Amino acid sequence: GQQVQQSPASLVLQEGENAELQCNFSTSLNSMQWFYQRPGGSLVSLFYNPSGTKHSGRLTSTTVIKERRSSLHISSSQTTDSGTYLCALERNTGANTGKLTFGHGTILRVHP
Amino acid sequence: NAGVIQTPRHKVTGKGQEATLWCEPISGHSAVFWYRQTIVQGLEFLTYFRNQAPIDDSGMPKERFSAQMPNQSHSTLKIQSTQPQDSAVYLCASSLDRRGQEQYFGPGTRLTVL
Repeated sequence: GQQVQQSPASLVLQEGENAELQCNFSTSLNSMQWFYQRPGGSLVSLFYNPSGTKHSGRLTSTTVIKERRSSLHISSSQTTDSGTYLCALERNTGANTGKLTFGHGTILRVHP
Repeated sequence: NAGVIQTPRHKVTGKGQEATLWCEPISGHSAVFWYRQTIVQGLEFLTYFRNQAPIDDSGMPKERFSAQMPNQSHSTLKIQSTQPQDSAVYLCASSLDRRGQEQYFGPGTRLTVL
């Protein structure tokens, strides 16, 4: 089955609303990253957050290893936040492979 | 720091031709990863080098795909006899050589096979 599941698949907001994006995983992990991608654009790392809570401006990432989930909270959304948000994890397999396994992403659209 | 550099940004090939994609990792990073992104499959791992040595190529199609890292400043991904299903964005990433390190991605190469 899919090791990394993101929800919702898509989300539409009015500017100023908050958003909560979820990433659930079925394996133990070494690392967790959240990325942002515009259509046709490159992956921009938002957070490297293997555990705990991190803040960056209007963004907050929380990873709870025991519950096998990570979330990305966007407060006071802006139209420029529109794009795809991807979570990715490095599985803890005992071997130092380093490869990331990605979720399918949440497509966010913020209307003015 | 210029970040991870990938060239070319776009490449169009005819079916059956060869395509070579280039990646220059961030200076000082000794782990280099290749991924492929398509609309249907999403982002998939292809292969991984550490200190120029191939470590894990479990995501590489066994035929026609090969990757090398001849020195610490660049890696190449070569696709022989390209097929339309190879059309994708190929992404390169690098990180420090320790377990569980943050990966930094390049802008990608969009390969279109006609």
